[in-house]
Amino acid sequence: AQSVTQLGSHVSVSEGALVLLRCNYSSSVPPYLFWYVQYPNQGLQLLLKYTTGATLVKGINGFEAEFKKSETSFHLTKPSAHMSDAAEYFCAVFSYNYGQNFVFGPGTRLSVLP
Amino acid sequence: DSGVTQTPKHLITATGQRVTLRCSPRSGDLSVYWYQQSLDQGLQFLIQYYNGEERAKGNILERFSAQQFPDLHSELNLSSLELGDSALYFCASSVDTGFSYEQYFGPGTRLTVT
Repeated sequence: AQSVTQLGSHVSVSEGALVLLRCNYSSSVPPYLFWYVQYPNQGLQLLLKYTTGATLVKGINGFEAEFKKSETSFHLTKPSAHMSDAAEYFCAVFSYNYGQNFVFGPGTRLSVLP
Repeated sequence: DSGVTQTPKHLITATGQRVTLRCSPRSGDLSVYWYQQSLDQGLQFLIQYYNGEERAKGNILERFSAQQFPDLHSELNLSSLELGDSALYFCASSVDTGFSYEQYFGPGTRLTVT
């Protein structure tokens, strides 16, 4: 079965610093990859996704992620953190292997310090 | 506001009982997805319907079932409830059936089983 790992259940950065949230996946076929954000007491919102084509994907709120097949990674970055970025971030992978399988990572809570 | 509505917001019930959670997708969206978010198991995809038909199945228990009605709203039925079923249940909708399409999440129903 495919799986998603997110290194670091909690990441703290200072306001204005680089945000780097790590995601690695296991899938034997080309996957679709997603990053979602969840603010407190809210549902999930799609930040960005990779399906095919350009491996560097730009999303909302200044976030971007790069699909690296050789490293089976899809790390999320933002050059300069803002206080409003504090939230839970989930990486997810979908592939047609094992039927239609959509799997989320365990999530990373991002704190932004003033 | 994603345009996806879920009712009720909160539900408290006892073990062994049966509950029904309701979801109305965004106007024009034909696909509905159900997810469970719990502290123990994180975010899990349960099931997807497209235009009234089941399209994909994830980690949905046999005690759980869902359907999508002609007006495209969906219901998730949970029966013989156990303490471990306490979780946040999200519904999401998308315009089409593939997981590459953006999913819009509702605010969730928080189920507490006592």
